[in-house]
Amino acid sequence: GQSLEQPSEVTAVEGAIVQINCTYQTSGFYGLSWYQQHDGGAPTFLSYNALDGLEETGRFSSFLSRSDSYGYLLLQELQMKDSASYFCARGGGGKLIFGQGTELSVKP
Amino acid sequence: NAGVTQTPKFRVLKTGQSMTLLCAQDMNHEYMYWYRQDPGMGLRLIHYSVGEGTTAKGEVPDGYNVSRLKKQNFLLGLESAAPSQTSVYFCASRSTDFKKNSPLHFGNGTRLTVT
Repeated sequence: GQSLEQPSEVTAVEGAIVQINCTYQTSGFYGLSWYQQHDGGAPTFLSYNALDGLEETGRFSSFLSRSDSYGYLLLQELQMKDSASYFCARGGGGKLIFGQGTELSVKP
Repeated sequence: NAGVTQTPKFRVLKTGQSMTLLCAQDMNHEYMYWYRQDPGMGLRLIHYSVGEGTTAKGEVPDGYNVSRLKKQNFLLGLESAAPSQTSVYFCASRSTDFKKNSPLHFGNGTRLTVT
């Protein structure tokens, strides 16, 4: 299978750190990426991991452990504008399959 | 550059009607995708294409057909619309195989209602 699992909702306060987890099935796995979507608009790319370890892009970091079939997105210094849906996605054989998304609510 | 353009932006159909959604990209991308998004269901892959003249089924292909006659265009057809096809449809494209970091570029979506 090629499905992914992520929590449906996460709540955090402004200025805090939040981690959004994603587990995936290993069949044909090439890499894990993360996308952000505000209010049903076009999703936008955040980060990508093909190898184990941490990738850092400003306040956002993404981690992958291929041996554990697990990754996460780490958001630091949360801002109100980070309230959005976050999707992990896996690639393999041309397909790109998304998880069901995690809705992040940032509270003041 | 316009990126990925979807037309139309909104459409209301009656059950049994047909329509075609058009996706156009100006980035010379090889790969193109059609997704549908329903509340709580995330983005589900309908069909995709890895190059001009080739298409393949995704996770939820039933009731849809696609064509990629030109590299820059990817058409999604509904031959006989059903209320279950009420959704937001997103087109996306990317440049190379996912082994490399080639992120998806999305269009703004088409909001389709079937009554």
